[in-house]
Amino acid sequence: AQTVTQSQPEMSVQEAETVTLSCTYDTSESNYYLFWYKQPPSRQMILVIRQEAYKQQNATENRFSVNFQKAAKSFSLKISDSQLGDTAMYFCAFILTNSNDMRFGAGTRLTVKP
Amino acid sequence: KAGVTQTPRYLIKTRGQQVTLSCSPISGHRSVSWYQQTPGQGLQFLFEYFSETQRNKGNFPGRFSGRQFSNSRSEMNVSTLELGDSALYLCASSTTGNEQFFGPGTRLTVL
Repeated sequence: AQTVTQSQPEMSVQEAETVTLSCTYDTSESNYYLFWYKQPPSRQMILVIRQEAYKQQNATENRFSVNFQKAAKSFSLKISDSQLGDTAMYFCAFILTNSNDMRFGAGTRLTVKP
Repeated sequence: KAGVTQTPRYLIKTRGQQVTLSCSPISGHRSVSWYQQTPGQGLQFLFEYFSETQRNKGNFPGRFSGRQFSNSRSEMNVSTLELGDSALYLCASSTTGNEQFFGPGTRLTVL
């Protein structure tokens, strides 16, 4: 069974600084996708970034980037130049290719302080 | 393109009642997945529909059911509501089931 672990229930960062959220996953499969979703207080889940397991290059979306270590089954999210609007719950998610059962971690509550 | 919409946004029911939640996917998306989010259990997969067929189901009792219509809109039904069914129910749509786009959710409270 696929599992996703986020070991940091809460984190905080000063505005304009950089923060890294950790995620590890467990699977015996080799073809899958990884995602980071953001859920602000409005509860709307917003896709932040995605990574295909077959791609060695780490995904980047503006201030958001990942460090994907396939052998270590690690998928961390780095947020640069943190902004107040980044305050939210962040969920790491995993899905097998050609599957439809997305597995989520427990989430990390990130607070950006002014 | 309009995003995923869910109705109603908030719902209050009493134990024993049944409830139907609705989800309209992004235009062109044929896959609709449903998730339950609670503080204790986190986000859990309920089921997924593609072209009116349920392709996968999570580990939930038979009181939880769903369907999908020819226009890809989906409904989720919970019968004989229990207090533990209080949760945020999220719907997500996608073209293939992989990259999923979420709706705003329906907050269900069971009294």
